[in-house]
Amino acid sequence: DAKTTQPNSMESNEEEPVHLPCNHSTISGTDYIHWYRQLPSQGPEYVIHGLTSNVNNRMASLAIAEDRKSSTLILHRATLRDAAVYYCILTTPTRDDKIIFGKGTRLHILP
Amino acid sequence: DTEVTQTPKHLVMGMTNKKSLKCEQHMGHRAMYWYKQKAKKPPELMFVYSYEKLSINESVPSRFSPECPNSSLLNLHLHALQPEDSALYLCASSHGGEQAFFGQGTRLTVV
Repeated sequence: DAKTTQPNSMESNEEEPVHLPCNHSTISGTDYIHWYRQLPSQGPEYVIHGLTSNVNNRMASLAIAEDRKSSTLILHRATLRDAAVYYCILTTPTRDDKIIFGKGTRLHILP
Repeated sequence: DTEVTQTPKHLVMGMTNKKSLKCEQHMGHRAMYWYKQKAKKPPELMFVYSYEKLSINESVPSRFSPECPNSSLLNLHLHALQPEDSALYLCASSHGGEQAFFGQGTRLTVV
């Protein structure tokens, strides 16, 4: 299974953009890049996913490097409610349905 | 309805008890998952069902027994658990490759 590497923790100020990096240098051509987050005392929540092109939705944007070896989750304007653990996950739906969580990045938002 | 419902929310059981955790989704998802999560750790994949058949067992001890009675329901039968099995048990569902939806989990305490 291809691995992802994320910083253990990050801090950001409220109402500012946040860029959460993820390295996945062993990604294969059929791997999708997914981001989930887990707020305290809740189950994980889907944020966004993509394959090759950058993606935007109401929660965030996903910027994927041209060589696909890294990606960045962008929260455009962080609020206190965005404080959570963010997980970058690779999936290979052509092979199986596994969703394997790494250690993630704990995001702290400063008021 | 984009919910995954898990019952019960909390469960305390003795090491000789038999209990079951239940999970339900009505999104027509073909893949359903069980995860175990210890405090301050990422969710750890246990089992995956695809089209109601067990497709992935991540070497889980036999005291955990999954069951998928139909496409909407997923059970996890527990027997002869140990105190170290105390954790948050999460259920999820997905179309496979698309976003996964997670329940809020069952917090299990084994005494």
